[in-house]
Amino acid sequence: GAVVSQHPSWVICKSGTSVKIECRSLDFQATTMFWYRQFPKQSLMLMATSNEGSKATYEQGVEKDKFLINHASLTLSTLTVTSAHPEDSSFYICSARQFGTENQPQHFGDGTRLSIL
Amino acid sequence: SQKIEQNSEALNIQEGKTATLTCNYTNYSPAYLQWYRQDPGRGPVFLLLIRENEKEKRKERLKVTFDTTLKQSLFHITASQPADSATYLCAPQTGANNLFFGTGTRLTVIP
Repeated sequence: GAVVSQHPSWVICKSGTSVKIECRSLDFQATTMFWYRQFPKQSLMLMATSNEGSKATYEQGVEKDKFLINHASLTLSTLTVTSAHPEDSSFYICSARQFGTENQPQHFGDGTRLSIL
Repeated sequence: SQKIEQNSEALNIQEGKTATLTCNYTNYSPAYLQWYRQDPGRGPVFLLLIRENEKEKRKERLKVTFDTTLKQSLFHITASQPADSATYLCAPQTGANNLFFGTGTRLTVIP
């Protein structure tokens, strides 16, 4: 079955640094990738949607200058949390979807736990 | 605004019984509804998708119903096992739009 790989799975860094998270589709071409954030005991909140080769579309309340998304190829999207602060600590999860499968399941990565000290 | 609610933040049942989870949505009309399972520290895993013109969908011990009049979906796990313990998320979807998830129900199956 389709596999989405996320890296790193866990990162701790100091406040003020930038952190990059990678999301790769391993056996299919992901025309659309999604980035979610999940706080403890809460559901997934969609942050942004990115289509390969286009600028990402951000959900209301998500700062595009803080959460930089790049989807330069059909198998890779990256999320960079710039100048991270403790309140950005969360579980970040990506998912990917092939073209023409809009009404089919999304394939999720296993998430990245980000802790900002 | 659109709202997705899953009743019971947590549900405990005895092994062998049927677990029933509820998903209610308001202020929109999804054409599809998906259910996912999420284990702690992991990403969601797809379980079932049901379309608005389908009343019921089954897969092994899982059954999903979709009532567009009540704006509700029920998710059943029959003959529940401790390995079924997880958080279950519903995600109503309008056409080709993005998935938005419900609040989730944390199911614990007690041996």
